[in-house]
Amino acid sequence: EAGVTQFPSHSVIEKGQTVTLRCDPISGHDNLYWYRRVMGKEIKFLLHFVKESKQDESGMPNNRFLAERTGGTYSTLKVQPAELEDSGVYFCASSPRPRLAGRSNNEQFFGPGTRLTVL
Amino acid sequence: AQSVTQLGSHVSVSEGALVLLRCNYSSSVPPYLFWYVQYPNQGLQLLLKYTSAATLVKGINGFEAEFKKSETSFHLTKPSAHMSDAAEYFCAVSLMFSGGYNKLIFGAGTRLAVHP
Repeated sequence: EAGVTQFPSHSVIEKGQTVTLRCDPISGHDNLYWYRRVMGKEIKFLLHFVKESKQDESGMPNNRFLAERTGGTYSTLKVQPAELEDSGVYFCASSPRPRLAGRSNNEQFFGPGTRLTVL
Repeated sequence: AQSVTQLGSHVSVSEGALVLLRCNYSSSVPPYLFWYVQYPNQGLQLLLKYTSAATLVKGINGFEAEFKKSETSFHLTKPSAHMSDAAEYFCAVSLMFSGGYNKLIFGAGTRLAVHP
């Protein structure tokens, strides 16, 4: 079974440019999460999809960030325009629907991350 | 609010020595706790998780962690370090929501170095 994949693995752009990150979750996983780790800091939650719907986007830093999940499959995270403080590693994770309603201790399966550098 | 504190951003041990990585959590409800590891150029991999069953949890690669409610701790240990254990380790608490999904609150990570 293929794991979570992310593309690109690295991206170097200049301030003001646009970058789009892609995540392909494990097939059949309804839940898709985006996290970010800024240099030296903890990994922080950005947002969560259930299928194609945004369930929680409380961690999105500002309106320069736009996430989509077309048809409930892969997801994209666009940063437009990019700023210096957006540099970091962006992780995607997925998990299956809980077996019991209202209960979830499901492991989140993480991708390798995309390292974004904004110059 | 849930939070996680990892004591020590860098830990260095000799090969064969005990590994102890510290994690303390804050949670208003019984927590689900996780340890993830990130090897160089790879994604986060689950080492082990505590989900209110046994307080001593065994994971992959010989690692284990003990949930201590009185100390709000979930320290990660391995009796004998191997060179291949060199990686960054993350402790996380799961924030649960109705509807059956969770989001993870991570500590800042501890980078483990193993020297001969």
